[in-house]
Amino acid sequence: DTGVSQNPRHKITKRGQNVTFRCDPISEHNRLYWYRQTLGQGPEFLTYFQNEAQLEKSRLLSDRFSAERPKGSFSTLEIQRTEQGDSAMYLCASSLRRQVQETQYFGPGTRLLVL
Amino acid sequence: AQSVTQLGSHVSVSEGALVLLRCNYSSSVPPYLFWYVQYPNQGLQLLLKYTSAATLVKGINGFEAEFKKSETSFHLTKPSAHMSDAAEYFCAVSVSGGGADGLTFGKGTHLIIQP
Repeated sequence: DTGVSQNPRHKITKRGQNVTFRCDPISEHNRLYWYRQTLGQGPEFLTYFQNEAQLEKSRLLSDRFSAERPKGSFSTLEIQRTEQGDSAMYLCASSLRRQVQETQYFGPGTRLLVL
Repeated sequence: AQSVTQLGSHVSVSEGALVLLRCNYSSSVPPYLFWYVQYPNQGLQLLLKYTSAATLVKGINGFEAEFKKSETSFHLTKPSAHMSDAAEYFCAVSVSGGGADGLTFGKGTHLIIQP
């Protein structure tokens, strides 16, 4: 069990550019979550997948954001036409739905800076 | 909707002293409650979780928390602080233990350990 991994760990981009982040969950975990964390705040829920199906999206997830989880394995989060307000830490977590009281395990995050 | 309030954005204690980090929640249904710790430039690590089995929950690194329904609280304690405990601590609530509602986090408490 290697834990949740995220790539890249850091990303600096110019306003208006598109960026894509990747999350590899713990193997066999069927649920995958994306959160956003801004400076001085707790993580905020963005969206979650059960297997390959995206079952919930927060109001925080604007039309510029899209997430996928093909084949129910890794997931990608893409931000189009980035804005300075998108600068944040993007966290991925995974869990196993089979557990009655599931636990979300978090990756190290991708820190995005939009100039 | 559920919410979490963490009292005190910064808490400073001396090494060897009692650690008390406060968390109050709001939920219309019996909640699942979690404490996570975040070290600089890292993801979140689960310290402990309440899932209705017992009101006093023991976690890793000597931490424990007590669920008090009458006070809607889930405060985190540790009898004797170590320098290695210096980190950001987040309380989180979920009404389903996971799934569509994700986790709702507080704003975090930065724990400072004085030598």
